[in-house]
Amino acid sequence: EVQLVQSGAEVKKPGESLNISCTVSGYTFTRYWIGWVRQLPGKGLEWMGIVYPGDSDTRYSPSFQGQVTISADKSISAASLHLSSLRASDTAIYYCARHIQAYYYDSSGYPHSSYYFDYWGQGTLVTVSS
Amino acid sequence: EIVLTQSPVTLSLSPGERATLSCRTSQSVTNNFLAWYQQRPGQAPRLLIYDTSTRATGIPDRFSGSGSGTGFTLTISRLEPEDSAVYYCQQYGTSLLTFGGGTKVEIK
Repeated sequence: EVQLVQSGAEVKKPGESLNISCTVSGYTFTRYWIGWVRQLPGKGLEWMGIVYPGDSDTRYSPSFQGQVTISADKSISAASLHLSSLRASDTAIYYCARHIQAYYYDSSGYPHSSYYFDYWGQGTLVTVSS
Repeated sequence: EIVLTQSPVTLSLSPGERATLSCRTSQSVTNNFLAWYQQRPGQAPRLLIYDTSTRATGIPDRFSGSGSGTGFTLTISRLEPEDSAVYYCQQYGTSLLTFGGGTKVEIK
């Protein structure tokens, strides 16, 4: 059974940093992209970025590029999301999700990858407050 | 960035009724790469449909997806109480993945 188990809820002060972990089981960690999705309070879903544990290749949404760091540790089958210089606006639930890769071709015939999410962690609530 | 607009925002129906949820995109979705997720209160999202119409593992056949280009639909043929949730569409026809704002389905 595929499982993604995230670290527990966090309360942080503005300016602090934070790591959220996502430990997986039930599949070969290095064979699937895994990434993070943010859900602001009472709002929808935003894709943040992904890592390929096989070679640590990472890709970020432009909205989160430079704001977060995503990594993976093959030795413990875990992905991590690092948030630094936290602000109140970072208060949200953060989900890890296993990504399934799909391929499409642009108008020049060049292949690109894209993803949907087949398994999700339970979510980690991050509260940033002074 | 492809923008996804879901309608209606809220849908209130009785058990056994049919629910039709719409997802419109700001540009055509390559290969009709569109997925649907269900998020029950206090839970993580769950994959229902991918590639517009393929049900994910373990999803009952009363959930179905259809559409192409810029218009997509999730249909729940016979609502059950446990279908009370927010449903999101997501496109993956570009490398920048985006979600719709969600449709809340309430069971009377």
